Amino acid sequence: KAGVTQTPRYLIKTRGQQVTLSCSPISGHRSVSWYQQTPGQGLQFLFEYFSETQRNKGNFPGRFSGRQFSNSRSEMNVSTLELGDSALYLCASSPNPADLEAFFGQGTRLTVV
Amino acid sequence: SQQGEEDPQALSIQEGENATMNCSYKTSINNLQWYRQNSGRGLVHLILIRSNEREKHSGRLRVTLDTSKKSSSLLITASRAADTASYFCATEDSNYQLIWGAGTKLIIKP
Repeated sequence: KAGVTQTPRYLIKTRGQQVTLSCSPISGHRSVSWYQQTPGQGLQFLFEYFSETQRNKGNFPGRFSGRQFSNSRSEMNVSTLELGDSALYLCASSPNPADLEAFFGQGTRLTVV
Repeated sequence: SQQGEEDPQALSIQEGENATMNCSYKTSINNLQWYRQNSGRGLVHLILIRSNEREKHSGRLRVTLDTSKKSSSLLITASRAADTASYFCATEDSNYQLIWGAGTKLIIKP
């Protein structure tokens, strides 16, 4: 069974641009969560999607948005990028929200210059 | 916000020694999980312990949970170079969202 796939692995963007990151969950998993990881703030929850609906959202500005498609693949978008958005963005999937173990992708390393 | 706080922040030991990391949390939990993250990569689930369990083993890993002290410990026995990684504890909130600690960076010296 293929694991969680995140694309791209690395990305360099300029301040003010927007970016879209993609996450393909493990086959059969319908819950997808996104996290931002920075050295200073650690792992911060962004949002969770289940069956194409956003179940929960973390404390991030509206520049951060996401969506989930009918095949459970998810994308997150960050508009008007700021230097502070430089981080490792991690996606995790599980069969359902109540499933306790999360399976993580390798992450997308975003650098904003 | 971060529920768990790992201690120590960093730990450096010789290969073959045991490594112990601690996690404290603030609110009541149903379970607590430990994850490992190799440098700049995704997290890998190690072990889950439920609130009614006090100790759990998985290979060289031993996890304890003390709900009265709101703390957990992860012991890695007979450490290997491949154990070099950051270790995170995570608890769940009422919406099943994982809340993470800051992590312990473990370095195993050959």
